[in-house]
Amino acid sequence: QSALTQPPSASGSPGQSVAISCTGTSSDVGGYNYVSWYQQHPGKAPKLMIYEVNKRPSGVPDRFSGSKSGNTASLTVSGLQAEDEADYYCSSFAGSNGYVFGTGTKVTVL
Amino acid sequence: QVQLQESGPGLVKPSGTVSLTCAVSSGSFRSGGWWSWVRQPPGKGLEWIGEVSYSGSTNRNPSLKSRVTISIDKSKNHFSLQLTSVTAADTAVYYCARQGYYTSDYWGQGTLVTVSS
Repeated sequence: QSALTQPPSASGSPGQSVAISCTGTSSDVGGYNYVSWYQQHPGKAPKLMIYEVNKRPSGVPDRFSGSKSGNTASLTVSGLQAEDEADYYCSSFAGSNGYVFGTGTKVTVL
Repeated sequence: QVQLQESGPGLVKPSGTVSLTCAVSSGSFRSGGWWSWVRQPPGKGLEWIGEVSYSGSTNRNPSLKSRVTISIDKSKNHFSLQLTSVTAADTAVYYCARQGYYTSDYWGQGTLVTVSS
């Protein structure tokens, strides 16, 4: 199975919003409402930020939101803060193929 | 709070086998749960390796399926990964994680495995 497609980079100034896309196929993103988003700081393990397309685990700020349309999911970070600078990965359930991750997006806070 | 900790050799020779164990905090293993392995080559993205259920059922990444074995030992509160016939391309940080409802909600800190002679 192929990795989901994400833009390599995204950036915004503090307080602004940034949106990251995650494009798959009807066999993964488009076929299930099981898209997750993870934040990863350098040298650290990934941290779950969004699950089931748009749900936030306890403790994740409501500045993080998720959505999906067709085969593309999106993560939006509103009110950017310095600590949001990190790599972000999407992931989707892919049926009998298990799970597939996105290619990753580096978010820079200008 | 679920805690996971990977352990295993940090250096493996080409054609050898990567053997890793993930210790899960006491009381966190529960009936019906799934536990997974994910890896990340240096400077690259995440790759799902596979998962094992509390009852021992497994699902594996089709691209790695022939080389991967994932097992669980409930008496020791851990699950394990074996990856055979390794090459330099298998050099990566290997993470274990708990599978919540179709998502990985708790992760270990990761362990670097280098394949080199």
